[in-house]
Formats: sequence, structure tokens, C-alpha cells
Amino acid sequence: RKEVEQDPGPFNVPEGATVAFNCTYSNSASQSFFWYRQDCRKEPKLLMSVYSSGNEDGRFTAQLNRASQYISLLIRDSKLSDSATYLCVVGNYGGATNKLIFGTGTLLAVQP
Amino acid sequence: DAGITQSPRHKVTETGTPVTLRCHQTENHRYMYWYRQDPGHGLRLIHYSYGVKDTDKGEVSDGYSVSRSKTEDFLLTLESATSSQTSVYFCAISVVAGAGNEQFFGPGTRLTVL
Repeated sequence: RKEVEQDPGPFNVPEGATVAFNCTYSNSASQSFFWYRQDCRKEPKLLMSVYSSGNEDGRFTAQLNRASQYISLLIRDSKLSDSATYLCVVGNYGGATNKLIFGTGTLLAVQP
Repeated sequence: DAGITQSPRHKVTETGTPVTLRCHQTENHRYMYWYRQDPGHGLRLIHYSYGVKDTDKGEVSDGYSVSRSKTEDFLLTLESATSSQTSVYFCAISVVAGAGNEQFFGPGTRLTVL
């Protein structure tokens, strides 16, 4: 079983739609949680850190459920520019640093 | 922009040859990382550094070595490249933030080993 699991998609949605991604993680001791966005053939870029209380940044809302070990990302009013792969990332402290474990990503395609 | 550059950006090499990838950062970050990204896998940590001359292994370190002789440069070396090392390699730095260490990535190096 992978440490971080995501539905690979693709999620094909029309502009203006609301779309939700879920992600589960296996290590109950994980301490930090993030969503990254990756465009085709580009580097991952941090979209949001995920806080225990949940957090919102414009059209994006992230939630963390530690008891069930899942993380969600909600995108409202989807734009064509939101088309990308969304990576769920979990941080575990080990050695001298917080090591990030990446999911394989969920592909979102927003259609005009 | 985290001020990270990687060189080369693309490289094609042959099996058995040594290859060195360079990551350069301009903001004096202490922590630097090397990852590889392959289809069907998330990014996987190869090695990381927590200071000059201080490095440690990650999840997939076999066949790779690293060096950090100055804060701004973190080198990844494939001593004898194999076809299984064909991949996209990303360098990252981390900064301390409210949710924990946030990592920021360089543009990547596409390596093909024939």
C-alpha cells in the first residue's frame, strides 16, 4: 500500500464547476500536509499548506481529517487555468529533516 | 520564485558514463533535496543536505552520491548511469512555515540514459 494515495483521475469538469480531490495517508504520525500543483513538464509548486482547522485561499479550500487520515482539496468556480496535476503531500519527521511523501497526483482538466 | 536553478536542464547520456547534476540556490537556505519523478510514482527523495558537508540518504539513494561543499550548490552524481536512472530530477529547498517545512522546487533536469 502506498503511503499517500490519490485517485489519479482524470477529472474532466466544465468551467465554473466545483471539484473535490481526496487523498489518504497511512502514517498516523505524519505531521504536515500540503497540496502542490504541477503543470505538464514543470516543477511542482506549492498550492496550499493544510492546517488542522482547515484553510481557504480564494477559490481553494483544504481540509484535514487526522482521525480518518485523509486530506481534501476543494476548487470552486473552476478556471481553464486550473488544469494541472494536483499532488497530495505528507510530511514525516525523520533523520535531520521533515521528509515529504508525495502522492502520484490527480489530473484535472477543465473544459471550456 | 525560490531562486533555484538546475543545470543542465536536459541531458542524454550512455549507460556506464558518470553524470553530475547541479542545483544552485541564491538565498542561503540550509536544507536542500534531490528527488526523482517517474510515471506511476510520486516524487521520491534521493538524498538531502542539512548543511555544508552534511548529507543523508533518502528513499532511493542506491546508485547516487551527493556533495555540498558550499551552501549554494548541491551536486547529484550518478557514478555509472543506468537506463533505470532515466528520469526527471528535481532539486528543492525548504523553508520553515506554519504548517511545517515547505519545500520549493527548481525547474528540473530531464535525464535520458541510453
